[in-house]
Amino acid sequence: DIQMTQSPSTLSASVGDRVTITCRASQNIDSWLAWYQQKPGKAPKLLIFKASSLESGVPSRFSGSGSGTEFTLTISSLQPDDFATYYCQQSNSYPLTFGGGTKVEIK
Amino acid sequence: QLQLQESGPGLVKPSETLSLTCTVSGGSIGRSSYYWGWIRQPPGKGLEWIGHIYYNGNTNYNPSLKSRVTMSVDMSKDQFSLKLSSVTAADTAVYYCLRIAARVVDYWGQGTLVAVSS
Repeated sequence: DIQMTQSPSTLSASVGDRVTITCRASQNIDSWLAWYQQKPGKAPKLLIFKASSLESGVPSRFSGSGSGTEFTLTISSLQPDDFATYYCQQSNSYPLTFGGGTKVEIK
Repeated sequence: QLQLQESGPGLVKPSETLSLTCTVSGGSIGRSSYYWGWIRQPPGKGLEWIGHIYYNGNTNYNPSLKSRVTMSVDMSKDQFSLKLSSVTAADTAVYYCLRIAARVVDYWGQGTLVAVSS
């Protein structure tokens, strides 16, 4: 199985901050990486697929980059609605695997 | 707008079989571009892919659960189902049904908490 490692596990930030979350894969996954946002008590929501493609309806302040084994999710200017937990997921091969999550908290 | 809704018991006894059904509305399971699957999330923990099924019945299960998982599809009702046998407390989780496109989950059900306890 491909192991996905996210850092940090928790991030404290303020509204308006630029936020970056990192995801590392245990082997090369090219650009087969997705990012999800999950709020308490809700299902995750797809933000980005194929490392940098924005899902329809997702605000442009979210962006993704990277390839191979290292990837980042960036929120250019953190908004109140963005405080949530973020997960990366490799879509290179089965079994699909997820990172452990990064919780973005209010500073 | 596609919607998915899980249904099934919220409490299962240890060693018994967990059974859930997902009903799809606003679309058809028979569309060839998509897979239909399950992911679970233990309370306060991360996401684990359980497996998926194609409309023709082809399946792909997580090897860590493969010996205990069975998925099926009923195209006439636009439903698909999950059975997980020999459950233990470690199987307590929120179970999500979902649609998978190009190995990415683009639609999720709201999730249903299943507790394993005597």
